[in-house]
Amino acid sequence: EPEVTQTPSHQVTQMGQEVILRCVPISNHLYFYWYRQILGQKVEFLVSFYNNEISEKSEIFDDQFSVERPDGSNFTLKIRSTKLEDSAMYFCASSEAPRENTEAFFGQGTRLTVV
Amino acid sequence: GNSVTQMEGPVTLSEEAFLTINCTYTATGYPSLFWYVQYPGEGLQLLLKATKADDKGSNKGFEATYRKETTSFHLEKGSVQVSDSAVYFCALSVGSNTGKLIFGQGTTLQVKP
Repeated sequence: EPEVTQTPSHQVTQMGQEVILRCVPISNHLYFYWYRQILGQKVEFLVSFYNNEISEKSEIFDDQFSVERPDGSNFTLKIRSTKLEDSAMYFCASSEAPRENTEAFFGQGTRLTVV
Repeated sequence: GNSVTQMEGPVTLSEEAFLTINCTYTATGYPSLFWYVQYPGEGLQLLLKATKADDKGSNKGFEATYRKETTSFHLEKGSVQVSDSAVYFCALSVGSNTGKLIFGQGTTLQVKP
């Protein structure tokens, strides 16, 4: 069964460093997403991406964040100059289409710890 | 704005007990509603969905009915198993042409043998 794969599963970084979280979406999917979940809080939408550009982003997704699809398979989230409050579980997702009732398939998440 | 509220966890049940996890929502427009499940060490998986009022989503013995009058989408299962132990997330999608999901905070279910 096709699945979304995220690497690494756990990343520890020092405050102020840059991190890149990687995702391999399902191969025939066209829409890609990043969500995050701070411990004990809700899963929050960060950004959606289609046709090599951001289609929607939340208020959380400020200039510190960027996304990229550097090749035909990977989808990355870059966090520049990490802060302690960026510590969270980051989920990548993909879907065939962005319709409201379309299933999004999620990866297992990357736990980012900023120290 | 759009939001989802789930009952606080953790929920601890004995095997074969009846499960209800409450979910209510606030939405501008007519949302589609979802339950996602996260088993230990895995990603979020779609459990069931409903796209309009009075629809019932069902899967693996779980059910949820889209109740517009009470803005609710409570998850139920008649007889839980140890293997149902997981975190359950209620979510909605509305008015977005990007497929964005808005999640509740998740409810941890632990089923004891």
